[in-house]
Amino acid sequence: KQEVTQIPAALSVPEGENLVLNCSFTDSAIYNLQWFRQDPGKGLTSLLLIQSSQREQTSGRLNASLDKSSGRSTLYIAASQPGDSATYLCAVLTQGGSEKLVFGKGTKLTVNP
Amino acid sequence: ETGVTQTPRHLVMGMTNKKSLKCEQHLGHNAMYWYKQSAKKPLELMFVYSLEERVENNSVPSRFSPECPNSSHLFLHLHTLQPEDSALYLCASSPVDRGRFDTQYFGPGTRLTVL
Repeated sequence: KQEVTQIPAALSVPEGENLVLNCSFTDSAIYNLQWFRQDPGKGLTSLLLIQSSQREQTSGRLNASLDKSSGRSTLYIAASQPGDSATYLCAVLTQGGSEKLVFGKGTKLTVNP
Repeated sequence: ETGVTQTPRHLVMGMTNKKSLKCEQHLGHNAMYWYKQSAKKPLELMFVYSLEERVENNSVPSRFSPECPNSSHLFLHLHTLQPEDSALYLCASSPVDRGRFDTQYFGPGTRLTVL
């Protein structure tokens, strides 16, 4: 059974700092890995999707890497801003007869002005 | 705006009530999903519909009853719920490409409180 773990559970940083969020998964048989952002009381917004054959994806100040063989992904946020404060969720799309998106519990990020 | 809308956004109901959650997608996708997000737990997949047929039911209690009348609409009918069913219920949709479920797009969720 696929399990996704995100560390840390919560992170508080001053504005302008570069930071890394970590995600690990137990089964490397995945189609892709996605990073989502969730604001309080809101739905999920997809930030980056990395296919299993890719190593990284970039969008603006965000860079996500994937090491499928070791079951790890990182989300790097450069020059953090207070508007980046949210919960960041990592999810993998599993292979096999029953494809499903398996989520971690998320990292709650607070960027202080 | 993700193209997936959910109504109502907030719902408070008693344990004996019957209510329904509605999801609508305007993205031309042919798969739709219900997820439950409880405090301090990962998002849990409840149901998956592909081409209006249920393809996944993750051992969800029968007090939750999904309905997918067409590829753009998905309902979750609720009856005799328990307080522990209080959660954020998220709907998502995705394309199905050559039999594979692709990137999912999420709605804003319905915050359900069961008294």
